[in-house]
Amino acid sequence: NAGVTQTPKFQVLKTGQSMTLQCAQDMNHEYMSWYRQDPGMGLRLIHYSVGAGITDQGEVPNGYNVSRSTTEDFPLRLLSAAPSQTSVYFCASSYGTGVVTGELFFGEGSRLTVL
Amino acid sequence: KNEVEQSPQNLTAQEGEFITINCSYSVGISALHWLQQHPGGGIVSLFMLSSGKKKHGRLIATINIQEKHSSLHITASHPRDSAVYICAVRSSSGSARQLTFGSGTQLTVLP
Repeated sequence: NAGVTQTPKFQVLKTGQSMTLQCAQDMNHEYMSWYRQDPGMGLRLIHYSVGAGITDQGEVPNGYNVSRSTTEDFPLRLLSAAPSQTSVYFCASSYGTGVVTGELFFGEGSRLTVL
Repeated sequence: KNEVEQSPQNLTAQEGEFITINCSYSVGISALHWLQQHPGGGIVSLFMLSSGKKKHGRLIATINIQEKHSSLHITASHPRDSAVYICAVRSSSGSARQLTFGSGTQLTVLP
């Protein structure tokens, strides 16, 4: 079982460049989400999805775009990178989308630096 | 005030000690997660609970819904337990799909 696969692990961008972080899961989970982790702060939700074709904003969505065309994939796009987006990004998935949900599975993380 | 507060922020223990990490939250929840983040950065799920107590090996997690409080205990701690432990809650009102995370407890176990 691959679980949650997240790529790339490391990326350096220049201000204004765009890029896509890839996230794929093979567990048929309905719920997928993207978080950023900054020093001294808890994980903060960027965007989430409860199924193919359904996405919604989290706590810090500005500057990011997502889509969910299949159950398996949930890419995160940085439209025009800014130094404030320097962070470690995690994708996570779980079964269930309502009150009853399951264990969280995380990708290995992507360390992004924006110069 | 954060919805999820963890204590302590940092904890250093000697190998073999019994360790307790606390998590308090301010909202009604449908589930609480305990996660472990290794020094390399990866995050793994330890427990998901909505009531009572769960045990896995040397790890025990408890939750008191009325007091809005959960604890993670590690018995006979070992240097390999050194990691950041994160508490996260899933709200039972509003959007039940979103999680709120504590800022984590950095645990260092010395040999």
